Amino acid sequence: DGGITQSPKYLFRKEGQNVTLSCEQNLNHDAMYWYRQDPGQGLRLIYYSQIVNDFQKGDIAEGYSVSREKKESFPLTVTSAQKNPTAFYLCASSMGQGKTEAFFGQGTRLTVV
Amino acid sequence: GENVEQHPSTLSVQEGDSAVIKCTYSDSASNYFPWYKQELGKGPQLIIDIRSNVGEKKDQRIAVTLNKTAKHFSLHITETQPEDSAVYFCAASTGGTSYGKLTFGQGTILTVHP
Repeated sequence: DGGITQSPKYLFRKEGQNVTLSCEQNLNHDAMYWYRQDPGQGLRLIYYSQIVNDFQKGDIAEGYSVSREKKESFPLTVTSAQKNPTAFYLCASSMGQGKTEAFFGQGTRLTVV
Repeated sequence: GENVEQHPSTLSVQEGDSAVIKCTYSDSASNYFPWYKQELGKGPQLIIDIRSNVGEKKDQRIAVTLNKTAKHFSLHITETQPEDSAVYFCAASTGGTSYGKLTFGQGTILTVHP
C-alpha cells in the first residue's frame, strides 16, 4: 500500500527531553511537510522540504528541527526549546512540480509531562 | 502572510439537509484551495479542491465555489448523511512547487443528526 506512515501514534516524554517523530512516504513525492494541530484549531506549518537535503521554516519553526537526507523520510525533532510541545503532529507529502494534492499521515500525538 | 478565516465553527444539520461552510483568504496570490475532512484521531483527507482559474467544481454531493474578487470560497454538501459528521478544514496555497504549503482555516465541526 502506498502512503505516509507516521510513528509512533502516541508518544510521551518528560519535559526537557528532545524527541524525534518519524515520517516515511513511499509515494515518490518530492515535497514533504510537518504541521502542528492544537485542540480546536487549524493546522500550522512547522517545516517543509521541496527536495532532498533542503528544507525551509514554516510559520512556527521555533523549537523544532528537521532533516531530509532521503526522499522517503522527513523526521521532526521537538527540542527542549519548544515551550508548548504537547500537540498532534501531522506529516504530509505532495508530488511537487505543479501537482496539487497533499496527502497526510495519521498523525502522532505527543504528550509532554 | 496568508490568513484564512472559516465560519461557522460548528454546524448541526438534519440528515438530508444541505450544509455550507465559508472561508475567506487575504493573499491575492493564493491560487489553490483544498477542503479536508478530518475524523477523530486521524489525519485530514482531501475531499475536493479548486484552482483559481475555476469558479465552481462539483463531485457528487460535494461542491466548492470560488469568488476571487471577494476572496472567498465555500463548501456545499447536499443530502447530508450521518457519516459526513467530522471536522472540515479549508486551506489556501500560492502553489508553485509547494502546493502542500497550506494555510488552514480554524475548522468547522459538522454534526449530521439521523
